[in-house]
Amino acid sequence: DAGVIQSPRHEVTEMGQEVTLRCKPISGHDYLFWYRQTMMRGLELLIYFNNNVPIDDSGMPEDRFSAKMPNASFSTLKIQPSEPRDSAVYFCASSLAAGAPYEQYFGPGTRLTVT
Amino acid sequence: GESVGLHLPTLSVQEGDNSIINCAYSNSASDYFIWYKQESGKGPQFIIDIRSNMDKRQGQRVTVLLNKTVKHLSLQIAATQPGDSAVYFCAENENTGNQFYFGTGTSLTVIP
Repeated sequence: DAGVIQSPRHEVTEMGQEVTLRCKPISGHDYLFWYRQTMMRGLELLIYFNNNVPIDDSGMPEDRFSAKMPNASFSTLKIQPSEPRDSAVYFCASSLAAGAPYEQYFGPGTRLTVT
Repeated sequence: GESVGLHLPTLSVQEGDNSIINCAYSNSASDYFIWYKQESGKGPQFIIDIRSNMDKRQGQRVTVLLNKTVKHLSLQIAATQPGDSAVYFCAENENTGNQFYFGTGTSLTVIP
């Protein structure tokens, strides 16, 4: 398996533009997680899905952020409109199940820069 | 107001020495823990895990120690190599929860 795949790897955009980040989880994994990593706040969970259904989105910072999982092999995280403070590395992770003892497998991340 | 960034703890060790990375966790109900390694430009990778019914677990060149009394976790790396240079995170999970909560991480630099 290729592992968790994320695209793009780098994204540079101007403030106010829409940004869409994409993730393909590991086949057979029922859980998908979106994280944001910054120097200010470390690694934060934004939202996670179970069998394509959002379970907990309490980590989503505000209404500008939305996430979807239309099928078991694809998820998107959208920011509209983007702001400079959204600059961060966004990770997608997947796991067979949630919690112990199931580790999460992380993708390589998307480095987002909003100017 | 003024922004304050995370001050990541750092550890520098000589190649071949042993490394000890520490983590204090907050939830006394947490009963499963994972250590992740994050190399520059990559996502976190699983290293080793431990359940709360154990106080020590060994892997290849790594050992995790758990002290539930003081809510402390440590990762020991034997014969540290340059490839071990990375940021190391501990993550905790409570049995009833689906989420892992990540610590702020420790940056390990191995000096050749």
